[in-house]
Amino acid sequence: GAVVSQHPSRVICKSGTSVKIECRSLDFQATTMFWYRQFPKKSLMLMATSNEGSKATYEQGVEKDKFLINHASLTLSTLTVTSAHPEDSSFYICSARRPSGSRYEQFFGPGTRLTVL
Amino acid sequence: GIQVEQSPPDLILQEGANSTLRCNFSDSVNNLQWFHQNPWGQLINLFYIPSGTKQNGRLSATTVATERYSLLYISSSQTTDSGVYFCAAGRDDKIIFGKGTRLHILP
Repeated sequence: GAVVSQHPSRVICKSGTSVKIECRSLDFQATTMFWYRQFPKKSLMLMATSNEGSKATYEQGVEKDKFLINHASLTLSTLTVTSAHPEDSSFYICSARRPSGSRYEQFFGPGTRLTVL
Repeated sequence: GIQVEQSPPDLILQEGANSTLRCNFSDSVNNLQWFHQNPWGQLINLFYIPSGTKQNGRLSATTVATERYSLLYISSSQTTDSGVYFCAAGRDDKIIFGKGTRLHILP
């Protein structure tokens, strides 16, 4: 299998606080993980690509100081939303790529719903 | 960058009917996936299909890379097939998601 977990599944926080979301590949080592954001009834937008042991690559328009990404091990990547504001409320989904040559298939976590009051 | 368009945006069918979902992409790709997003938001991998044809039970998919489109076929639809179907296509690790097809299967 290729199972990816996320924690927490849901978080409600006050404006100005920071929130950390964990993404784990449970049964494989993921050299590359991805973070996406999805607004209600919208598509997924790639925020950043995370490689183990190196700095994340952020997509255009994504503030790297706002969304801190750490990929400390081959099975764990974290996304920290710093000084969260109501406009950061969204559904955040991570994915992981299982190393397999030229096969680029991504497996997705169940998502984290963030509500900032 | 690459553009990914899905059609139709919405589809309502009676249980037992067949359906075809389409994904057009604007440039050559070596990475194409179909997903089903369930009501809780989980993306379920359906097919990894940058080219060729695959089948898995009632679902099958075909990608014609030279003509830049992919099709997802659902036969004998069941109410549990309801949800949003996404196509994501791109080069190597970077995939762009289409806007999805929202499928409603009526009992």
